[in-house]
Amino acid sequence: QQQVKQSPQSLIVQKGGISIINCAYENTAFDYFPWYQQFPGKGPALLIAIRPDVSEKKEGRFTISFNKSAKQFSLHIMDSQPGDSATYFCAASMRGGYQKVTFGTGTKLQVIP
Amino acid sequence: DVKVTQSSRYLVKRTGEKVFLECVQDMDHENMFWYRQDPGLGLRLIYFSYDVKMKEKGDIPEGYSVSREKKERFSLILESASTNQTSMYLCASSPLRTSGSNEQYFGPGTRLTVT
Repeated sequence: QQQVKQSPQSLIVQKGGISIINCAYENTAFDYFPWYQQFPGKGPALLIAIRPDVSEKKEGRFTISFNKSAKQFSLHIMDSQPGDSATYFCAASMRGGYQKVTFGTGTKLQVIP
Repeated sequence: DVKVTQSSRYLVKRTGEKVFLECVQDMDHENMFWYRQDPGLGLRLIYFSYDVKMKEKGDIPEGYSVSREKKERFSLILESASTNQTSMYLCASSPLRTSGSNEQYFGPGTRLTVT
């Protein structure tokens, strides 16, 4: 079964600190790696995504680092803010297969003032 | 903006009842998905549909069925609800992927409690 393993399950970071969430995958056919952000009472929403032909993608304070040989990718949130407190899901999908997305188990991030 | 709506935010049903969860998207997306979300387990795919009247089993289809009679509407059916189906149910849609992102757009979820 295709899996995406995510850690940690929960994370507490002080305001201004760096939040780091890690994911690992097994299936080398995956070619799209998104991160979703979910606030309480809301559905997940796409935050940032990367393809395996680049090693890093940055959008504002959010950066994805991608290591194709290790089959790992991570989300870094710089200068973390209380408004970043949410649950984050990494995911992976492949071309074809009706665009099914395999999600990680989620990381609940709390940024404390 | 893409909008995915779900018929109920909260639902309480009794064991053995037949339960219908409705999802509607307004962006003419080909693909629609039903997930359940449980703490520590993430999002698990129940069923998906890539076209009207077409459906495919996801990772945990047991105890569920689906219906897609119109492109914009995707229904999840619990034939005989059980307590282990108490969960948050999320509907999502995505366009047919030609290039670029494979983004899924989610509804707000339905929290179902089966007593």
